[in-house]
Amino acid sequence: NAGVTQTPKFQVLKTGQSMTLQCAQDMNHNSMYWYRQDPGMGLRLIYYSASEGTTDKGEVPNGYNVSRLNKREFSLRLESAAPSQTSVYFCASSEWVKNEAFFGQGTRLTVV
Amino acid sequence: GENVEQHPSTLSVQEGDSAVIKCTYSDSASNYFPWYKQELGKGPQLIIDIRSNVGEKKDQRIAVTLNKTAKHFSLHITETQPEDSAVYFCAAVAIDDKIIFGKGTRLHILP
Repeated sequence: NAGVTQTPKFQVLKTGQSMTLQCAQDMNHNSMYWYRQDPGMGLRLIYYSASEGTTDKGEVPNGYNVSRLNKREFSLRLESAAPSQTSVYFCASSEWVKNEAFFGQGTRLTVV
Repeated sequence: GENVEQHPSTLSVQEGDSAVIKCTYSDSASNYFPWYKQELGKGPQLIIDIRSNVGEKKDQRIAVTLNKTAKHFSLHITETQPEDSAVYFCAAVAIDDKIIFGKGTRLHILP
C-alpha cells in the first residue's frame, strides 16, 4: 500500500499563477484533509471532506478551493497564487474523522 | 470554533529523563484528542490518542492524560531516547469534525 500520495513534491509558482495539488489515498478512507504548515504556526486546516461528496472550510480557506473527485482523491487548487501561500502543504486521510489520520509526505510550494 | 494551545514550544531534556507537553482546548464538545510526532522532512504520524470517556492511556513509554473539566490534556514520555527528538503536535476534534492542531513542541533529547 502506498498510503497517501501527494503530487508534486516541490513547486515554484509566480504570483498570479494557478495550480492544483493532487492527493490520493489507497486505504479506502472516508475522510480527507488539506493542511498547510508554516514555521511557528503548526498545522492549519484549509479544507476537509468528512465523507465522499462533502467538503467544508477549515481555519484558513481563503485563496483555496477543493474538489473531492471520488473516494480516493482530494485536490487543492490555488486560483491566483500569492507569496503568502508559500508553505508546505500536507494531505491526510482517515477512516472516519475521529480516527488516526495518515499524512502524505508534503508539497513544498514557493510563490515568488 | 475550536482553539488548541500547546506549551512549551521548545523542550530540552537529558536522555533518560521524562518530557511533558501540555495542551488546552476551548470547545467543551471536543471528544477526541490525538498526538502526532513529526520527524524532519516527513508528514506527522499518530503516536497515541485518547477519547473523552477515558482519563488516561498508556503505550509503553508514552502516556496521555485528559482533564475534561479543566479542558487540558498532556503527553508524557518517560525514559527518553535520542529517537524521541522530533516535533510533537496535539490536536482536538469537536462535533464539527475539524481536526485542529496546536502549534507544536520541538523536543530535543540531550546526550
